[in-house]
Amino acid sequence: NAGVMQNPRHLVRRRGQEARLRCSPMKGHSHVYWYRQLPEEGLKFMVYLQKENIIDESGMPKERFSAEFPKEGPSILRIQQVVRGDSAAYFCASSPGQGAFVSGANVLTFGAGSRLTVL
Amino acid sequence: SQQGEEDPQALSIQEGENATMNCSYKTSINNLQWYRQNSGRGLVHLILIRSNEREKHSGRLRVTLDTSKKSSSLLITASRAADTASYFCATVSGGYNKLIFGAGTRLAVHP
Repeated sequence: NAGVMQNPRHLVRRRGQEARLRCSPMKGHSHVYWYRQLPEEGLKFMVYLQKENIIDESGMPKERFSAEFPKEGPSILRIQQVVRGDSAAYFCASSPGQGAFVSGANVLTFGAGSRLTVL
Repeated sequence: SQQGEEDPQALSIQEGENATMNCSYKTSINNLQWYRQNSGRGLVHLILIRSNEREKHSGRLRVTLDTSKKSSSLLITASRAADTASYFCATVSGGYNKLIFGAGTRLAVHP
C-alpha cells in the first residue's frame, strides 16, 4: 500500500502562472481533503471531495482556486494566476468514508505534501 | 478560522523527560486528534479521543480531554530525540473529517 501520493513534491512558479497539484488517495479511499499550511502555522482546511463531487469547499478562496476528484485519476488542486501569498505547503489526505467515521476509525492519512513557491 | 490554540508554542527538553502539550478549542466536538509532523514532512496520526472519553493511552502517549473546559493535553513520557517534531491537535465537529487544526507545539528533545 503506497499511501497517499502527492506530486509534485516541490513546484516553483512565477507570478501569474498556473499551479496544478495532484493527489492519489490510498487504495480503497474515496474521500479526499486538501489542506494548506503556511510556514510555522497549522494546517487550514480548504476543500473536501468525494468522487465527482465537491462536498465542502468552505475553506477555498473564491477566486483562482479550484479542485476536482474525477471518476478516474487523481484529485487535482488548481491555482490559477498564482501570487506570492499562495506559497505554502499543500497537503492532501484521504479516508475510507462515512462508514469509517461511524466506526471510529475515521482518521485521515496524509500525503507528504506539495510545496509551492511563487517567485 | 482556527479552532484551537496549542500551548506552549515551543518546548525544549532533555531525553528521558516528559513533555506535556496543551490544546484548547472553541466549539463542541465529536472527537479530538493529535498529529505529529516532522520537519518538511506530512502529518502522522497519533491518537484520537472521542468527546465521551476522558483519557486514552497509546504506548508512551497519554491524552486527556476535558470537554467542560474545552481543552486537551498530550503527554509524551520518557521522551527520545526521535520525538523532536511539531505536534498538532485537531478537532472534528461535523459528520466528516473536516479537521480544524491548532497552530502546533514545536518540541525539541535534546540527547
